[in-house]
Amino acid sequence: DGGITQSPKYLFRKEGQNVTLSCEQNLNHDAMYWYRQDPGQGLRLIYYSQIVNDFQKGDIAEGYSVSREKKESFPLTVTSAQKNPTAFYLCASRPNLAGGYNEQFFGPGTRLTVL
Amino acid sequence: SQKIEQNSEALNIQEGKTATLTCNYTNYSPAYLQWYRQDPGRGPVFLLLIRENEKEKRKERLKVTFDTTLKQSLFHITASQPADSATYLCALEGTALIFGKGTTLSVSS
Repeated sequence: DGGITQSPKYLFRKEGQNVTLSCEQNLNHDAMYWYRQDPGQGLRLIYYSQIVNDFQKGDIAEGYSVSREKKESFPLTVTSAQKNPTAFYLCASRPNLAGGYNEQFFGPGTRLTVL
Repeated sequence: SQKIEQNSEALNIQEGKTATLTCNYTNYSPAYLQWYRQDPGRGPVFLLLIRENEKEKRKERLKVTFDTTLKQSLFHITASQPADSATYLCALEGTALIFGKGTTLSVSS
């Protein structure tokens, strides 16, 4: 089955530790995205990548880092510099933007809790 | 800056009624607008896309309108059912999709 997988589903981290969230897609999509969702805040864009080896900061990139070494994979690292990392993290992908009018496919999400 | 507002955080209706959700935007001229459904603890799922030159789009019990003059989209669910209870998000194209905060719909039987 084609889709987007995120792992783990739940993640606990001690304060001051870096942690990496996995996102893999087998949809052959060019563009991938990371969002953060907090109660009452909606989805906020952290980073996005439109092509392999290239990525752009979103609205709330501080304290996060990403890489895009393969088309299928777009891992997100939450660093110790992120002051309030407890949230629900969503990865998404969609086909090349050139044609426009593309829906976004989301993974099931990772809930990160900082202890 | 671009801004999207979904007027109601929560909407409660009875089964069988029509639910109407509103999405307003400012400082923006989108070529299209999308609506997503999100269930608790899960990722959003795409429902409908409407282009700027389309006034209305339908899919089964769903209907979306797009008024570029009013800068507004309305999302309707007719003959609502308890299974329609979820959070509904509107999204506009920017460098990436920009999402509203969502409206949580509760349909009671």
